Amino acid sequence: GEDVEQSLFLSVREGDSSVINCTYTDSSSTYLYWYKQEPGAGLQLLTYIFSNMDMKQDQRLTVLLNKKDKHLSLRIADTQTGDSAIYFCAESMWNQGGKLIFGQGTELSVKP
Amino acid sequence: ETGVTQTPRHLVMGMTNKKSLKCEQHLGHNAMYWYKQSAKKPLELMFVYNFKEQTENNSVPSRFSPECPNSSHLFLHLHTLQPEDSALYLCASSRTSGGPLQETQYFGPGTRLLVL
Repeated sequence: GEDVEQSLFLSVREGDSSVINCTYTDSSSTYLYWYKQEPGAGLQLLTYIFSNMDMKQDQRLTVLLNKKDKHLSLRIADTQTGDSAIYFCAESMWNQGGKLIFGQGTELSVKP
Repeated sequence: ETGVTQTPRHLVMGMTNKKSLKCEQHLGHNAMYWYKQSAKKPLELMFVYNFKEQTENNSVPSRFSPECPNSSHLFLHLHTLQPEDSALYLCASSRTSGGPLQETQYFGPGTRLLVL
């Protein structure tokens, strides 16, 4: 079955690292995505990782993929107040035409 | 700016009204999507259009009627909605849909709908 799980809330202090976790159930995932949603806005694509990779780094963002455990994480280094938002993990499956399955989103709160 | 625009940004309607949501993409994509985002629930895919043809209807009630006149425009026509239809409606686009290769989806800002 298809299921993507995320914890609902995370609170960190400005300057600390944030780690947002996601687990998924479908082993036929091809790409896994992280989207960011600020209040009143749509979803902004942050980064994605192909399922045959285990790490991807993009400036302050590091994505780690443990395919064996079906676990995806997003690490934000030097978290800023502007990073406060809801972060969605999503997976797509090659056998479903790239249909995206989203988690419920993790609300990141960054305190000064 | 993602290249996907949606209008209106906010809409309040009564249960007997008829209204339409509009989405336009300026990315040269051929696939467009409607999603519903309700509080405390994951995003729900509603419809997918690929090259103007509807390729997915995710068991959406008939009070929601999509229209895709060309690859750049997507509408969602609303009639006799219920209060539980109040949500953020998000449009997305990608180069294509349904093939073996993943095509990244880019989202618009959404229309916040309130049904009274």
